[in-house]
Parts: sequence; C-alpha cells; structure tokens
Amino acid sequence: GNSVTQMEGPVTLSEEAFLTINCTYTATGYPSLFWYVQYPGEGLQLLLKATKADDKGSNKGFEATYRKETTSFHLEKGSVQVSDSAVYFCALSDRVGAQKLVFGQGTRLTINP
Amino acid sequence: DAGVIQSPRHEVTEMGQEVTLRCKPISGHNSLFWYRQTMMRGLELLIYFNNNVPIDDSGMPEDRFSAKMPNASFSTLKIQPSEPRDSAVYFCASSFGHGDQPQHFGDGTRLSIL
Repeated sequence: GNSVTQMEGPVTLSEEAFLTINCTYTATGYPSLFWYVQYPGEGLQLLLKATKADDKGSNKGFEATYRKETTSFHLEKGSVQVSDSAVYFCALSDRVGAQKLVFGQGTRLTINP
Repeated sequence: DAGVIQSPRHEVTEMGQEVTLRCKPISGHNSLFWYRQTMMRGLELLIYFNNNVPIDDSGMPEDRFSAKMPNASFSTLKIQPSEPRDSAVYFCASSFGHGDQPQHFGDGTRLSIL
C-alpha cells in the first residue's frame, strides 16, 4: 500500500539557518503530494502541494519539488524564523480514487533565536 | 470564509461515559474525515465520508466508536463507553473534489478520559 516516510525529529536549528526535512514515498499510480504544518494547539494547515512530477510547490518561503525518479518531496527553506517552529507532515493522496491522505509521522521543528 | 468547526474544543469526562464530538465541514465540501492524534501513534484516520456516505471505516478502533453524517453540514463521532486510552486530540477535516485537493482541518477536540 501507499506510505510516506519522513526524517525523524525533533529538529532544532538557529534562526536564519537552512532547513531540509526529507520525505520519501511509496505509491502506485501518480499521487499528489502535500506538506502540512501544525502549530501548537491547532489543526493541520496546508503549506504547499504538487500534483505531478517535477512540479514545485511553494509558500511562505518553503519549497518542495515532486521527484518521481527518487520518489521524494523534500521540504526546504533558505532562512528559518522562530515563527516556523511547528510540526511538519508530508502526505500523499491518490488522485484517481479515494480522497484520503496518507501521512508521514511528522517532524517537530524548533527554531532558536 | 468559515473553516471547519469542531465542538467542544476540550472535553474531560469519566471512564464509562458517552462522548459525542461534533463537526461542521466547510460549506460545499463533499468529503469529511475524522482523525485521532496521540503522541504514541501519531495521526490516524478513523473514518471518512463522501457525499454523506461512509466510505472507509477501517481505522475505527472498535465497536465503542461510531460516526454519522446525517447531512452535508454535520457529522458526529461518538464513543460509548469511553476509556482512558481514548484520550487524544480528535480532528475533523473536509475537502472537495478529487485527491489532488487539500483537506482543511478544524482545530480539534482535546479529549481526556479520567
């Protein structure tokens, strides 16, 4: 079945550091890929998405490129801020059939000033 | 626009009591999802509906859990009887269209069973 594997956290960085959170997936067909972010005490929010190979999703300075050849969708940001501290989830969905998402286990990110 | 609305935000009750969680999806969305989040197990999909019909309930832990969606604007998740191991944050999410559309999450219900 479909699955998503994220790099284990927690990840702690200093402000203005470069961020990479790795995400790889296993899927049949051509899934859409998503990154969600969860701030303390809140639900998950969509951060960015990509629906086909070589698409790049971007939002709030974060980027991720859909790499079919490596089955990856790594999240990157060039200069993180304290406000980026949150839990980040990688997810995939089957575009053709069911709308349910398969989530990775989440990566907790803490940014120190 | 109003997002997904869940109630209550917090619930504390004693073991054995019935618990009902409520969700109002975004107007116009045709799919609704119930999730449970714990430190140990992460985010788990419990059940989801499409056009008010349950499509996949394989994530429902046991018969103590039940979910209904009587119309397009309301869903409930019920636990009867509740147990301490049911303590978690329960999220409702909704979406529209096919799988390339994102899900929109509510802020969750934090449930504590004493």
